[in-house]
Amino acid sequence: SQQGEEDPQALSIQEGENATMNCSYKTSINNLQWYRQNSGRGLVHLILIRSNEREKHSGRLRVTLDTSKKSSSLLITASRAADTASYFCATEGTNTDKLIFGTGTRLQVFP
Amino acid sequence: DTGVSQDPRHKITKRGQNVTFRCDPISEHNRLYWYRQTLGQGPEFLTYFQNEAQLEKSRLLSDRFSAERPKGSFSTLEIQRTEQGDSAMYLCASSPEIPGYTFGSGTRLTVV
Repeated sequence: SQQGEEDPQALSIQEGENATMNCSYKTSINNLQWYRQNSGRGLVHLILIRSNEREKHSGRLRVTLDTSKKSSSLLITASRAADTASYFCATEGTNTDKLIFGTGTRLQVFP
Repeated sequence: DTGVSQDPRHKITKRGQNVTFRCDPISEHNRLYWYRQTLGQGPEFLTYFQNEAQLEKSRLLSDRFSAERPKGSFSTLEIQRTEQGDSAMYLCASSPEIPGYTFGSGTRLTVV
């Protein structure tokens, strides 16, 4: 079964605005990762944050992790139409090497 | 191309037929994963290999599904006696010892 729940399920914004997606999970983790998927394609790894980290940046991406609340957020700043895709969080648990994915957020960025 | 390759990209089969998918991981990655994704959902874990050893299998993987990774290189996923509920995107990913998954583009299976 899928562990992560993402919020919102869908998000529509204008180019230049910021997009924030949230992810909650259930068990202890080693790390949490965010992936992007364009329609009908494979997943592309965006960023990984370890359980002992609270915030990480990569270009226009900012990820936060709150292990006490078992939640993470992904912020995409100054969004572009090309950011239109589905975004998934995925957790790697402490007793496993597999990733458990969330349900995803569908982001639509209008030009 | 040094990414993860999956073959075929698309497969249409009649219910009851057997199908086999292939995944070629990044050569230096010793871990290989299979996931299944249905429309509007996140990927669901099926199974994973470390080298040639199959270390974990999901309860989703019924006895009609079998996966192999001979010699710890490429992997195959076979579905016997396909059912319409097997229609999905089948994704393969590989990873080195440290975290960092590279996914293939997937095989889209349609059972008619």
